[in-house]
Amino acid sequence: DVKVTQSSRYLVKRTGEKVFLECVQDMDHENMFWYRQDPGLGLRLIYFSYDVKMKEKGDIPEGYSVSREKKERFSLILESASTNQTSMYLCASTNGDRFNYQPQHFGDGTRLSIL
Amino acid sequence: EDQVTQSPEALRLQEGESSSLNCSYTVSGLRGLFWYRQDPGKGPEFLFTLYSAGEEKEKERLKATLTKKESFLHITAPKPEDSATYLCAVRVNSGGSNYKLTFGKGTLLTVNP
Repeated sequence: DVKVTQSSRYLVKRTGEKVFLECVQDMDHENMFWYRQDPGLGLRLIYFSYDVKMKEKGDIPEGYSVSREKKERFSLILESASTNQTSMYLCASTNGDRFNYQPQHFGDGTRLSIL
Repeated sequence: EDQVTQSPEALRLQEGESSSLNCSYTVSGLRGLFWYRQDPGKGPEFLFTLYSAGEEKEKERLKATLTKKESFLHITAPKPEDSATYLCAVRVNSGGSNYKLTFGKGTLLTVNP
């Protein structure tokens, strides 16, 4: 089975802190994704990466950056955390491309609170 | 703009009472529609992929169907353990040869014993 592991289930940080969320997958997937999930808004794509050191902005990239130095690891960075970034963050991975409609597999999420 | 709308937002059923969840979409160039199940405090769990209109997929009490404008998730004789949020997502081109998922907001299903 595909395993997507997010380093923390719960995280509490202060406004202005630099926050790192880590995600590791064990299936050698090319593509990795970061989403946030908020009540009433659903899952929204923040950033994704289709190869090592490559990244693409999703629908809501403002206030975030990402890093992908190794194929299995994708990090989400909140440069200066703000209270409106309090949310559930979900990481996903897949090998899907234009010809291969593989589903995305998700981790169990990190519930981040910014105080 | 690509849009995915799920209805109803919430559905409460009695055990054994069959029903359907709806996912309607407006996208340019569908490249797959996915159904996920999400339990509280967990990440979404993949259920089905549908590729083209007329296709159907089944798993236990769940059956997913696809038309050119919408997908249905039919739940036959549900049990309390089917209670979860069901998410629909469409796969669209995000530029070049890259693809992303656009999600609906989900349907919260509660099955009472």
